[in-house]
Amino acid sequence: AQSVTQLGSHVSVSEGALVLLRCNYSSSVPPYLFWYVQYPNQGLQLLLKYTTGATLVKGINGFEAEFKKSETSFHLTKPSAHMSDAAEYFCAVSRSLSNDYKLSFGAGTTVTVRA
Amino acid sequence: DTGVSQDPRHKITKRGQNVTFRCDPISEHNRLYWYRQTLGQGPEFLTYFQNEAQLEKSRLLSDRFSAERPKGSFSTLEIQRTEQGDSAMYLCASSLGRDEQFFGPGTRLTVL
Repeated sequence: AQSVTQLGSHVSVSEGALVLLRCNYSSSVPPYLFWYVQYPNQGLQLLLKYTTGATLVKGINGFEAEFKKSETSFHLTKPSAHMSDAAEYFCAVSRSLSNDYKLSFGAGTTVTVRA
Repeated sequence: DTGVSQDPRHKITKRGQNVTFRCDPISEHNRLYWYRQTLGQGPEFLTYFQNEAQLEKSRLLSDRFSAERPKGSFSTLEIQRTEQGDSAMYLCASSLGRDEQFFGPGTRLTVL
């Protein structure tokens, strides 16, 4: 079974500051890892994903994440926060060797951006 | 294509009533997933289809829940004899095989 732990349910950053959202996973097989963003009253939108290959993954809106197998982590960063980054962020994992591709999500981190 | 759509967006019902939600995936996506999201939690997997075949159901899906995808296109999720614990956001997602899952806006269910 796979699971995801997101450290910190709420993160507050100043506009222009670094955004760092932490995600640790557990998986019995090599994982596929994802970050999704959810704006109020909207569905989830994929920010970026790691499947194989390069461990530093770049996504939309200036976000990136690094897969660190030794630390079982997939932390999300953005160098400079914008007001539009205020949203809820979910880390998710699926099993690479499975045919179901179903996602297991963390509990989410709500990001607020201070002007 | 306008993406994954779900109907209704909001549903308020009384305990004991039956409700049905609809999901229209992106056309030609062969996979369709249902997730449930409660307040303060991430989405939890409920079930998924490949074409019209329902391939897996989570233990979260009690006997009161049933899902169908009769022609491999749209899907319905029915909850019979609703309980207050069923109050949640029900999310639908579709994908083409292993590719990215695209999520709909969700149906928010409130059981009074």
